Amino acid sequence: QVQLQESGPGLVKPSQTLSLTCTVSGGSISGGDYYWSWIRQHPAKGLEWIGYIYYSGTTYYNPSLKSRVTISVDTSKNQFSLNLSSVTAADTAVYYCARSLRGYSGYSDYWGQGTLVPVSS
Amino acid sequence: QSVLTQPPSVSGAPGQRVTISCTGSSSNIGAYYDVHWYQQLPGTAPKLLIYNNNNRPSGVPDRFSGSKSGTSASLAITGLQAEDEAYYYCQSYDTSLSVLVFGGGTKLTVL
Repeated sequence: QVQLQESGPGLVKPSQTLSLTCTVSGGSISGGDYYWSWIRQHPAKGLEWIGYIYYSGTTYYNPSLKSRVTISVDTSKNQFSLNLSSVTAADTAVYYCARSLRGYSGYSDYWGQGTLVPVSS
Repeated sequence: QSVLTQPPSVSGAPGQRVTISCTGSSSNIGAYYDVHWYQQLPGTAPKLLIYNNNNRPSGVPDRFSGSKSGTSASLAITGLQAEDEAYYYCQSYDTSLSVLVFGGGTKLTVL
């Protein structure tokens, strides 16, 4: 059973960089037909795809966030990470990591529990 | 304003059947991209409910079914139960925006 767990600081100040790591257990992040995704959910709102990465390092980002997003992978630690720069209050959200099937409209079958990241001074 | 449009809320009595629509366009659902559905219980992460339009992952009851036609998709729930009360989201891909898209979500209330 694949499990994902997000970790990172609980609070980020405006203009700083939000950094989160997702640790994958119960399966390897390398190989296979999966992308490793970041998805966020603003308070009481819907879901927004941020981007995903393949184990080789190939990345795909939401164009609306692309200028501020970097997703990286560390296969030796079975982890992947999210950096979102120049954050504002509008970036306050629950951030989820997930495993997504490769392909344009791949579904996400395993999700982390999510971590709330407030952006506030 | 979501690219995929869902009704904000639906409701039904226990045992009844409800459907949730997901309306897109020719650049997403109508462009033959698969539609998936997720269930989100309060305070939890989304759970995959239906994948590739009409397939259920192992463990999902057959009370849940999906369909797709043209630029729309639907999730049907039969034999409604109290534990089905949750938010439901559809997901697809939009080729014009080059982005994976979600519907705005539908809150299902079991009366």
